[in-house]
Amino acid sequence: DGGITQSPKYLFRKEGQNVTLSCEQNLNHDAMYWYRQDPGQGLRLIYYSQIVNDFQKGDIAEGYSVSREKKESFPLTVTSAQKNPTAFYLCASSIRGASNQPQHFGDGTRLSIL
Amino acid sequence: AQTVTQSQPEMSVQEAETVTLSCTYDTSESNYYLFWYKQPPSRQMILVIRQEAYKQQNATENRFSVNFQKAAKSFSLKISDSQLGDTAMYFCAFMKGYSGAGSYQLTFGKGTKLSVIP
Repeated sequence: DGGITQSPKYLFRKEGQNVTLSCEQNLNHDAMYWYRQDPGQGLRLIYYSQIVNDFQKGDIAEGYSVSREKKESFPLTVTSAQKNPTAFYLCASSIRGASNQPQHFGDGTRLSIL
Repeated sequence: AQTVTQSQPEMSVQEAETVTLSCTYDTSESNYYLFWYKQPPSRQMILVIRQEAYKQQNATENRFSVNFQKAAKSFSLKISDSQLGDTAMYFCAFMKGYSGAGSYQLTFGKGTKLSVIP
């Protein structure tokens, strides 16, 4: 079955450490997205990519970085500059050029500070 | 910038009853799309229903329907014959309907936690 796989499901970060969250999709979607979810805040867009080797900042990109070397993969790195990384992170993908098409989501990664 | 407001942080409904979740949005765009997503305790986001702003007819998906009032910028979700499996967070979301900068991005409300009581 096609879908989006996020790993790991739980991740712990030490002070000053960078960590990378994985997102892989086999839906043949061009567009991919990273969201952060905090209690009572809904989902906020961190980064998005419409095509390989191209990506744009979302609303809360500071302290995060991404790469898009392959169509299937859009990893998110939470850097040490992100002072409050504890949150639930969701990856999504969609068909590019079709804004009426929904975004499909992965199961998420919960990141916590040690 | 677009904003999406869900004014009901929590709601509850008896099993088999009907419940309506509210959503209002603010935009200067004329072409856009609206979505309702469901997030059960498993945390996966699941699309419930979507509405194109240019369509006057309200979208319906089985027990789920919307009341789209474009002039009032209101997009409420009605769940009929509520089931225990409907217990979840429900998010209203907005997307611009053109291919310019910022397109394809979803703007979410803060969510409504719905509990279906047996």
